[in-house]
Amino acid sequence: QKEVEQNSGPLSVPEGAIASLNCTYSDRGSQSFFWYRQYSGKSPELIMFIYSNGDKEDGRFTAQLNKASQYVSLLIRDSQPSDSATYLCAVKNTGGFKTIFGAGTRLFVKA
Amino acid sequence: GAGVSQSPSNKVTEKGKDVELRCDPISGHTALYWYRQRLGQGLEFLIYFQGNSAPDKSGLPSDRFSAERTGESVSTLTIQRTQQEDSAVYLCASSSVPGGNYGYTFGSGTRLTVV
Repeated sequence: QKEVEQNSGPLSVPEGAIASLNCTYSDRGSQSFFWYRQYSGKSPELIMFIYSNGDKEDGRFTAQLNKASQYVSLLIRDSQPSDSATYLCAVKNTGGFKTIFGAGTRLFVKA
Repeated sequence: GAGVSQSPSNKVTEKGKDVELRCDPISGHTALYWYRQRLGQGLEFLIYFQGNSAPDKSGLPSDRFSAERTGESVSTLTIQRTQQEDSAVYLCASSSVPGGNYGYTFGSGTRLTVV
């Protein structure tokens, strides 16, 4: 079992729709959770981080965390073609130094 | 600097040659990480530096790989006797918080091609 698992996609949504990206992790000791966006040929950039169960909203992005289910998701509202990218889920333990990345989900937003 | 700077941006080398990759973190960032990303794959942790502490080298794939960092400044990743499986994008990231609890800022990467 991979430490951080994501559906590779591609996930295709029409412009204006909600894109839902999902991630599961194996280590119950994980405490910090991140979503990065990576455009083709570019390096990852941090979108959001979340520590507590529940939802965290930032503009059109909402991160959701459920530690009991070891599940974290990212919702993108009013999806735009410019949101088309690979989204990487990342997880680290409290007190640990290493962040483990999933392989990413490719998102296409159709105009 | 304003961002994490990596050089060179692209490197093509012959199998068996040594290569050196450079990373200049954001000024004041004490934590520095190296990751590797093979084509179409996720990020693979290589090494972590935190200030003047001993680095964690647990992710280095073989003894052909080594990295150095002096204090909180520039880091170099050296790959000796390169092999074709070393072809990847090597990403450096830095963080102002030890352990990267608030996430990392990545450099633009070095694309290494071993022919």
